[in-house]
Amino acid sequence: KAGVTQTPRYLIKTRGQQVTLSCSPISGHRSVSWYQQTPGQGLQFLFEYFSETQRNKGNFPGRFSGRQFSNSRSEMNVSTLELGDSALYLCASSSLTTNTEAFFGQGTRLTVV
Amino acid sequence: AQSVSQHNHHVILSEAASLELGCNYSYGGTVNLFWYVQYPGQHLQLLLKYFSGDPLVKGIKGFEAEFIKSKFSFNLRKPSVQWSDTAEYFCAVNRDDKIIFGKGTRLHILP
Repeated sequence: KAGVTQTPRYLIKTRGQQVTLSCSPISGHRSVSWYQQTPGQGLQFLFEYFSETQRNKGNFPGRFSGRQFSNSRSEMNVSTLELGDSALYLCASSSLTTNTEAFFGQGTRLTVV
Repeated sequence: AQSVSQHNHHVILSEAASLELGCNYSYGGTVNLFWYVQYPGQHLQLLLKYFSGDPLVKGIKGFEAEFIKSKFSFNLRKPSVQWSDTAEYFCAVNRDDKIIFGKGTRLHILP
């Protein structure tokens, strides 16, 4: 069974640009969550999608958005990039929302210059 | 604010030493609890989880954790660490369909 796949693995963007990251969950998993990981703040929850609907959202500005497709694949978009957006963005999938753990991808390392 | 707190940000131990990493959460009611580990250059992996039942749960690689409801704690333990346990450890709570993580503890084991 293939794991969670995130693309691209590395990305360099300049301030003001926008970026789209992609996540393919484990087959059969319908819940996809996104996290931002930085050395100072640890893992911060961005949002969670289930069956194409955003069910939960963390405390991030509106520049951060996401969506989920009918095949459960998910994308997150960050517009008007700032230097502080440099981070490792992790995607996690799970089959159910309770009594199961989340499985994580390798992440996308975004560097904003 | 509801949160997950990990007491130690950086722990350095010698091989064969005993390990205990603290984790407290501030959510009331029913919670599901996890410890994840991130080895250098690798993705997050589940070490162990608690959903219900026996509050002492055993995970992979000799790790265990004890859920103490009255203390809102879920501390991670290992009786004898190895150099290969060098990694970052995250405590997490699944509540209201989202998993909230602590800020992590970097564990460095000296050979």
